[in-house]
Amino acid sequence: DTGVSQDPRHKITKRGQNVTFRCDPISEHNRLYWYRQTLGQGPEFLTYFQNEAQLEKSRLLSDRFSAERPKGSFSTLEIQRTEQGDSAMYLCASRPRGTEPEKLFFGSGTQLSVL
Amino acid sequence: EDQVTQSPEALRLQEGESSSLNCSYTVSGLRGLFWYRQDPGKGPEFLFTLYSAGEEKEKERLKATLTKKESFLHITAPKPEDSATYLCAVQGGADKLIFGTGTRLQVFP
Repeated sequence: DTGVSQDPRHKITKRGQNVTFRCDPISEHNRLYWYRQTLGQGPEFLTYFQNEAQLEKSRLLSDRFSAERPKGSFSTLEIQRTEQGDSAMYLCASRPRGTEPEKLFFGSGTQLSVL
Repeated sequence: EDQVTQSPEALRLQEGESSSLNCSYTVSGLRGLFWYRQDPGKGPEFLFTLYSAGEEKEKERLKATLTKKESFLHITAPKPEDSATYLCAVQGGADKLIFGTGTRLQVFP
């Protein structure tokens, strides 16, 4: 069973540095989502893709954040000029088209710490 | 604006002591209400989807119910392995989930 895979699992960076995370969804899942979760909070929606098209972006996604899914398979989330407030768990999720609404399969996340 | 409120924030139970978790929501045009379980350091794991008031679903010691304003997750005779954070989420018209802050459940032997 190859679930949603995220890399790296942990990332420690200094304020002002750029970081990039990768997500490999379940094979043939055409919808891919990014969420952010801080300690004691539920996941917050950031953005989602249908195949390679980015269909919605949250207001939480500032100009320093960019996400891509170039071939409709894996996705990357880049944060430029990181700030301490960016410290969080970044979760990726996917689902196939046509299933019941929003039964998402989540990865284990990338834990980002900005020092 | 779509909103989900979960209570209590934390719950400590003795093994075998049944209880319920609450999820209150406001959403424009509910398409689905979802319960997820999340263990520390892991992503949420899907438990149930409920679509309309009056619907109920069960899985092992868990039972989820839905009314027009809230959902309950009933835990019958819990075991220590049920310890986790339980997240409630709703989907309205947009293709995304709005999550609550979760209930941290601890079950002691």
